Amino acid sequence: DAKTTQPTSMDCAEGRAANLPCNHSTISGNEYVYWYRQIHSQGPQYIIHGLKNNETNEMASLIITEDRKSSTLILPHATLRDTAVYYCIVRVLSTGTASKLTFGTGTRLQVTL
Amino acid sequence: GAVVSQHPSWVICKSGTSVKIECRSLDFQATTMFWYRQFPKQSLMLMATSNEGSKATYEQGVEKDKFLINHASLTLSTLTVTSAHPEDSSFYICSARASGRGEQYFGPGTRLTVT
Repeated sequence: DAKTTQPTSMDCAEGRAANLPCNHSTISGNEYVYWYRQIHSQGPQYIIHGLKNNETNEMASLIITEDRKSSTLILPHATLRDTAVYYCIVRVLSTGTASKLTFGTGTRLQVTL
Repeated sequence: GAVVSQHPSWVICKSGTSVKIECRSLDFQATTMFWYRQFPKQSLMLMATSNEGSKATYEQGVEKDKFLINHASLTLSTLTVTSAHPEDSSFYICSARASGRGEQYFGPGTRLTVT
């Protein structure tokens, strides 16, 4: 799976949009971009994933650049409960044993009042 | 949907004893389950991958005789930490992948403390 690069930490004011970048310059054509987050002392929570089109769900939006070498996760109105470590992961979407989620260091997002 | 549970949520055991952690997929069948370990202020590290009815595949550096994994059914996998030592104290997280699908869903984690 392709490696990803994320900033170590970010701050965001409550109510503002949080934009979390991720670089994945070696992504292959069949690899998806996944975002998970982990709130302190809990298991990771799935947020969103995409291949090449922008995606939106009730939690967030995912913007993938046209060359697919980077993406941005957008939390439109951050709240204190969004404080967590956010992981950007690139992987092939398959049911094979070799297709597994490998976590990097992620971005620690701190939402403040 | 896609709920994964773990039991216990936390456990304290004495050095030299064994402890078993259960991982269950509550509303779906999981052909493949994954076990991760997370030390304080670090990221999740994959320990092993198991398919129902097969032997687990361990990541490099993970002792298969120490971390016994059993995936006997499509909804249950267990991780047994044998002869636990203080350095095994960690946050253990399981993940399950639904049959025929690529998404992984995570359990809430089990905090193991070995004294």
